[in-house]
Amino acid sequence: EDQVTQSPEALRLQEGESSSLNCSYTVSGLRGLFWYRQDPGKGPEFLFTLYSAGEEKEKERLKATLTKKESFLHITAPKPEDSATYLCAVIMNYGGSQGNLIFGKGTKLSVKP
Amino acid sequence: DAGITQSPRHKVTETGTPVTLRCHQTENHRYMYWYRQDPGHGLRLIHYSYGVKDTDKGEVSDGYSVSRSKTEDFLLTLESATSSQTSVYFCAISERVNEGYTFGSGTRLTVV
Repeated sequence: EDQVTQSPEALRLQEGESSSLNCSYTVSGLRGLFWYRQDPGKGPEFLFTLYSAGEEKEKERLKATLTKKESFLHITAPKPEDSATYLCAVIMNYGGSQGNLIFGKGTKLSVKP
Repeated sequence: DAGITQSPRHKVTETGTPVTLRCHQTENHRYMYWYRQDPGHGLRLIHYSYGVKDTDKGEVSDGYSVSRSKTEDFLLTLESATSSQTSVYFCAISERVNEGYTFGSGTRLTVV
């Protein structure tokens, strides 16, 4: 069964303390891996798409990387405003549900000043 | 939210009543999706549309129906609401199937 697993479920950091979030997947025929940020009471906000192993994307303090089995979201010197739930999602080959993003359960990040 | 609007934002309804949620986009994107988000389950796909009058089921489609009569509108209907359908519902859009989706702000539905 296709599955997306994110770890840890929750992460508390001090401001400036760098760390990484993990997203492992077991889907077959990966077409893309997506990272989203979700603030309380709001919809997910798109951050990155990664399509092939070895690919990296950066945005401010965030850097996403992809291997054949997992992705990492690295947060460098986080600030309190980076506090949010970070969601990972994958999309399969078109032989599966067309356009179906399969989401992990998310990592809730708290950054304390 | 980048041209996507969900209505209503909050709704409380009674068990057994029909409920329709609306998603409206101004981006002219081809694909539209309905997800529900529940604690411990994450986001799960209910139905999606790949064009006007073209829809298909997602992972958790039982008890839900959808319609798309215009490019800009995608309606989600709960034919007879049950307490298990209490959730936060998100609509999303995309122009191509393998690109990032844009999500709406969500509808919080409570079935009592």
